[in-house]
This record gives sequence, structure tokens and C-alpha cells, in this order.
Amino acid sequence: DAKTTQPTSMDCAEGRAANLPCNHSTISGNEYVYWYRQIHSQGPQYIIHGLKNNETNEMASLIITEDRKSSTLILPHATLRDTAVYYCIVRVDRGSEKLVFGKGTKLTVNP
Amino acid sequence: ETGVTQSPTHLIKTRGQQVTLRCSSQSGHNTVSWYQQALGQGPQFIFQYYREEENGRGNFPPRFSGLQFPNYSSELNVNALELDDSALYLCASSLGQFLSGYTFGSGTRLTVV
Repeated sequence: DAKTTQPTSMDCAEGRAANLPCNHSTISGNEYVYWYRQIHSQGPQYIIHGLKNNETNEMASLIITEDRKSSTLILPHATLRDTAVYYCIVRVDRGSEKLVFGKGTKLTVNP
Repeated sequence: ETGVTQSPTHLIKTRGQQVTLRCSSQSGHNTVSWYQQALGQGPQFIFQYYREEENGRGNFPPRFSGLQFPNYSSELNVNALELDDSALYLCASSLGQFLSGYTFGSGTRLTVV
């Protein structure tokens, strides 16, 4: 079963920051937080992952709370192309472990 | 650098038939995973292959089987198709046991009638 809780849907205005929350209160010490997104009719796309420090890449920033029980994915300047389902996943960083997807958050970016 | 390619993109089969779906891994990736995604749901793990050996399996019956070839491409076979097998089937490749993220293909949309 998925170990994360996310809101079902969110809206964001184009050009504004989109902040997507995720709760993972049972996360283990060796589990990473991964974020993927899935644009309609495409496969999921890796966005970012982190263990305990905040992370940033060209797509997004990941903020993990100090107790690691929750995190926030930040898209700093959302565009219409960011409309997608966003999945927060926790897992160990080992290839034999499956990714367990929940239902994710449907983010709609409005013009 | 090519990504993950899956074929066919769409397929219609009749209940009871068998189907084979194909996946070409991203260059340099030696691990392939297959996922089933029903409409409105997140992807569900079917199984993973690492260096041609099955390396993990989800809660799917034995009629779901797979292969990985020496070039790391892969096949997903489903026998005795049921209506509930209608879904998007996703293949993801990755490099080895430590990874920063899978690369997914765009999937094969299977419809069983």
C-alpha cells in the first residue's frame, strides 16, 4: 500500500508557485521521498527526490520537514504544461524495490 | 540518448486471448519494470527484471509473465485475457540497484472486449 497521503486535487494560477503537500508519517530512516508526475496519456516522469535535505533542480524544489513526516513539492512558476497528476512516493533507493503509487494530486494550472 | 519505447501504443484483444507487449530500455539501463494502470488509478507494480532475471513481483497472477533479453529489452505476456486487464501498461527502465529515478515509456493501451 502507498505510504503517502496527498490532496486529491489542487488549482494554481499560471505564473504563480504551485506547492503540493505530501504526508508520509511512517517513513523509515532509509526511505527517500520521490516525486513523479503524469501528464495525460503519458508515462510518469521523474521530477526530484530527497532523503532529508531540501533539494532543487531545474524542474522543482523539494522541501522535507525536519522530522521527515511530510514534504512539499514546489513548482516556482507554474505553466499550463504543468497540469498533471503528481505522485509522492517513499521508498528505499534500491532498484529492486517497487514504486508504490497512490492516486496522487491532480494539479490544474489555470490561465 | 533514446528514451524508453513501447509497442504497440494501442491494442484491442478479445477475452481469453493472449497478448505480448514490448519495451526497449533507455540506453545504458539494465533494469526493467512493468506497471499496470487502470483508469483513474495510479500505476501498480507487476514485476521487475534485472540482468534477465525476475527481481521482484507484485500482486499479479501467474498468467502475467515477462522476459528480459540480453540487450535489456523486455516483453510482458498476459495469457487468458480478462476484461479487467484493460489498462495502460507502462514499462520503466533504470540503471542497476541504485537509482535516481525510473524512466517510463508512454505505455501501451490495452482494451479487452
